[in-house]
Formats: sequence, structure tokens, C-alpha cells
Amino acid sequence: QSALTQPASVSGSPGQSITISCTGTSSDVGSYNLVSWYQQHPGKAPKLMIYEVSKRPSGVSNRFSGSKSGNTASLTISGLQAEDEADYYCCSYAGSSTFVFGTGTKVTVL
Amino acid sequence: QVTLRESGPALVKPTQTLTLTCTFSGFSLSTSGMCVSWIRQPPGKALEWLALIDWDDDKYYSTSLKTRLTISKDTSKNQVVLTMTNMDPVDTATYYCARIVGGGWTIDYWGQGTLVTVSS
Repeated sequence: QSALTQPASVSGSPGQSITISCTGTSSDVGSYNLVSWYQQHPGKAPKLMIYEVSKRPSGVSNRFSGSKSGNTASLTISGLQAEDEADYYCCSYAGSSTFVFGTGTKVTVL
Repeated sequence: QVTLRESGPALVKPTQTLTLTCTFSGFSLSTSGMCVSWIRQPPGKALEWLALIDWDDDKYYSTSLKTRLTISKDTSKNQVVLTMTNMDPVDTATYYCARIVGGGWTIDYWGQGTLVTVSS
């Protein structure tokens, strides 16, 4: 159950698109289409942004999208806005009712 | 409306046992497919999955912490309890409980978290 690997930081200007990668193994990301993404603002609980690789919960902006290829999942934020500045975590189901989180990515809006 | 709330001590001493309670509403842990997990986050660090209990009272633990963790449920009270033995300062973290619906295996609702500091 090693943590999924994410870049420590990603930045972009307002209106731009950014992509955050999340690399796991064939035992987690590569085995299941059960990757989710969470946004966390300072001092707050994580908020579900994407589930099952590419599905958006009700109320989440369509500027957020997800994808997966092999052992790597990705979150893309298009039309970057100031309110998107936060930490982002991926999470993958790892079989046998267990989960593994990513190392986290700090998104900065320049 | 699904809500979860964590409660427990804010401060524990090294070697003590931590007991946290998650009280939830808006769903029942006796419903097939429902699960509750515990997740923690040390200050300034990443989230770490700890444990899960499902509707059938099956329990699953992080491999690295398995020997120290016990998760249990009281369905009648809508509560899930996590105990962690032999606490150490590195266990200082915000502890979250969260709901998972089996099958989709998405952690969809989170509590607000409770900060536990381990210090003598």
C-alpha cells in the first residue's frame, strides 16, 4: 500500500488549463476504474470532485475532468479560477476493501 | 442528508490508546453496501487511509498499522469506533471518518475531522 505519486505542485494563470497526474501500480490504479479526486482547502475536509475515474458528482463544475491510462490517472482543471487554489488528492481502490491516497498536489493560481 | 462527525480526545500521551467515535446520520450501516472508513492527515502532510468496516461487520485495515488498529460499529447508535494503541508523536494528525458505498468504492461524504495531538 504505497502512496500514489503526484507532483508536489502545479501552477497556472487564470483561464488556463492544468493537469495533475497520479501514478500508482497494477495493483491499484491499473486494476480498477475506481480512482477519485478530492479538493481540500486549508483547514477543511476533502471534497469529492471526481469519482470512478471521470464522473463528476452533482454540483461540481464541469471544468473538472478525469481520465486514466494504465497505472496513471489524471485530473484536468480547465478555465482555472482563483477558487481552484487548493490541495488535490487522488485516491484509488486497492482491492479487498482497501484504499490508497496520493501524495497530494498544491495548485497555485498565479 | 448524510453527515458524519468525529469525536474524541484532542490530546493523548505517548503509549496511550486513542479512541475515536464517528457519529453519522442520513444512512444506515445495516444497509447492504454501506461502509465507514477512517482516514488521517498529519499537519501539512497527505491523507492516509486507515481502516474500513462494512454493513456485514467485516473489517479491513491499513497493512502498516494493522497491529495497532481496531474498528467496530454500533448500528443502533449510528456510530463507528476506532481505537489505535501505543500512540506516538508521529500519530499527531487530523482524523476523519467518511462514508463509502461498496461497489462504487468512492469515499463520498467526510466528517469535518478532529485533531489529535500526541504529546507528553
